[in-house]
Amino acid sequence: EAGVTQSPTHLIKTRGQQATLRCSPISGHTSVYWYQQALGLGLQFLLWYDEGEERNRGNFPPRFSGRQFPNYSSELNVNALELEDSALYLCASSPDRVYVGAGELFFGEGSRLTVL
Amino acid sequence: DAKTTQPNSMESNEEEPVHLPCNHSTISGTDYIHWYRQLPSQGPEYVIHGLTSNVNNRMASLAIAEDRKSSTLILHRATLRDAAVYYCILLIQGAQKLVFGQGTRLTINP
Repeated sequence: EAGVTQSPTHLIKTRGQQATLRCSPISGHTSVYWYQQALGLGLQFLLWYDEGEERNRGNFPPRFSGRQFPNYSSELNVNALELEDSALYLCASSPDRVYVGAGELFFGEGSRLTVL
Repeated sequence: DAKTTQPNSMESNEEEPVHLPCNHSTISGTDYIHWYRQLPSQGPEYVIHGLTSNVNNRMASLAIAEDRKSSTLILHRATLRDAAVYYCILLIQGAQKLVFGQGTRLTINP
């Protein structure tokens, strides 16, 4: 069974540009979570999508946005890129709302975004 | 928000037990305690989780204090492959948030 896949693996942008990162959850998983991991820091919760809806977001500005498609894949968009947006962006999926059943999150390998 | 506190780093020797502590003094009754680990250049992977009782699985054991204000992840016999950053996480059901701690970087000496 394929795991969570993310693309692109690496992305280089310049300040002010927009970046789009993509995530395909494990087949059958309906929830997708996005995290930011800046160099030397822990994982910061960004967004949670479930059944196509944004269910919760972390303490990030509105230029971080995303969506979940009918096939449960997800896209993270970062507008007006700033240097401090350089980070590893991790996507995770779970078979249902993890808060209900305390289930397991399955993480992808991440997309490394570099802003010059 | 409830949060977790972990030591920045720990070191242990191969084939010895490792006890990784986590403090979560503001945890509420419905918050689950999860542990994940992140190997170099990889995404985090699930290790174990629990609510009130101690838990065991093939990877590790989780010991939860009676007042639930702290927990300890136990690796019974560490191997070099266990070298990773270990994250203690609270699943806060009420706020539907996942709160990661700073993580503990575990070094295993051969």
